[in-house]
Amino acid sequence: NAGVTQTPKFRVLKTGQSMTLLCAQDMNHEYMYWYRQDPGMGLRLIHYSVGEGTTAKGEVPDGYNVSRLKKQNFLLGLESAAPSQTSVYFCASQSGGSNQPQHFGDGTRLSIL
Amino acid sequence: KQEVTQIPAALSVPEGENLVLNCSFTDSAIYNLQWFRQDPGKGLTSLLLIQSSQREQTSGRLNASLDKSSGRSTLYIAASQPGDSATYLCAVRTSGSRLTFGEGTQLTVNP
Repeated sequence: NAGVTQTPKFRVLKTGQSMTLLCAQDMNHEYMYWYRQDPGMGLRLIHYSVGEGTTAKGEVPDGYNVSRLKKQNFLLGLESAAPSQTSVYFCASQSGGSNQPQHFGDGTRLSIL
Repeated sequence: KQEVTQIPAALSVPEGENLVLNCSFTDSAIYNLQWFRQDPGKGLTSLLLIQSSQREQTSGRLNASLDKSSGRSTLYIAASQPGDSATYLCAVRTSGSRLTFGEGTQLTVNP
């Protein structure tokens, strides 16, 4: 009963390095989301997808790119990591329809030195 | 722009007490409001979802109410237990498939 799985769980990067965070869901959900959670800021939406092959910008998209090549996977990329991107990243998925709950993964803790 | 505020930021109560967590939002044109629980180092777990046409939802010891016109929601926890200790977040959906979150209330239930 996996639900939403995020990999990796922890990562430390140096400024300027690149990496990709992977989110996988096994619930056949249409919608997927990437959030970041920072102290005093709450959860903020980075990018989201309403279906395979589609992506859209959220509240704080700068410095990130995403891809949704397969329905079950949503990738978040950092091309050139900056210390301001140190955060906890959460992926969520939701079945179609505005009155369905979002289901979250356990997060990826990312530190940029 | 939708803004969501949760008061108090932290709450400590003795076991067995009934308690209320508050959530307010600035734009009343919402599709629904969702309450989540977050344990330390974990993701968010959905507790209750109230549609804009509903006034309340109940699940076990939890009861969530929604007053859309005044921009307020409350989460009532009956007979609190130490296992209820967590951060509780509310989130509103105002357009498309996007949620706006409050910063949460950190609840501690003391044995």
